[in-house]
Amino acid sequence: DTGVSQDPRHKITKRGQNVTFRCDPISEHNRLYWYRQTLGQGPEFLTYFQNEAQLEKSRLLSDRFSAERPKGSFSTLEIQRTEQGDSAMYLCASSLVFERTEAFFGQGTRLTVV
Amino acid sequence: GQQLNQSPQSMFIQEGEDVSMNCTSSSIFNTWLWYKQDPGEGPVLLIALYKAGELTSNGRLTAQFGITRKDSFLNISASIPSDVGIYFCAGLTTSGTYKYIFGTGTRLKVLA
Repeated sequence: DTGVSQDPRHKITKRGQNVTFRCDPISEHNRLYWYRQTLGQGPEFLTYFQNEAQLEKSRLLSDRFSAERPKGSFSTLEIQRTEQGDSAMYLCASSLVFERTEAFFGQGTRLTVV
Repeated sequence: GQQLNQSPQSMFIQEGEDVSMNCTSSSIFNTWLWYKQDPGEGPVLLIALYKAGELTSNGRLTAQFGITRKDSFLNISASIPSDVGIYFCAGLTTSGTYKYIFGTGTRLKVLA
């Protein structure tokens, strides 16, 4: 049983560039979450999907951020026109919908905007 | 964004000592989770709690779901050096959406 997989693990980009991250959830999990974590803080919710439907987006998710989950499997998070304030760890998690709904996290993608 | 209150923020303990930390909220949750995070890694799930009053153990770790559903507690017995890290609580919202809200974290340092 493979866990949640995120790619890439690290990304360094110049300000103004676009970046895209990928998350592959645990195969039988219907829910998929994206979180952002900055140094010394707990993960902050960005958005989540149930199957292919994006059910909620945080106000933290500006217009430059977009997430997709085509066919309810893997998900991508794109950041357009990156800014230095976007530098953070981006975490993906997945869970079942019923009964045991605990969320399992991937190893994260560390984004550095220079 | 919204975060739960965890205390203490950080603690130094001697190897072999027991550790207690807690997490409080002004909102009710139906599920509480506890995670441990090492530097540069994603959070690793330690314990999941689903019922008010529930007490669940995982090795040297014991967690409780508070009766009011607004708090949770984690105890680590006989701490060892590899317990070093940041511990986060998370509560699952019940207001029509299903997202986990995280605590501010408790940083644990174990002195050998």
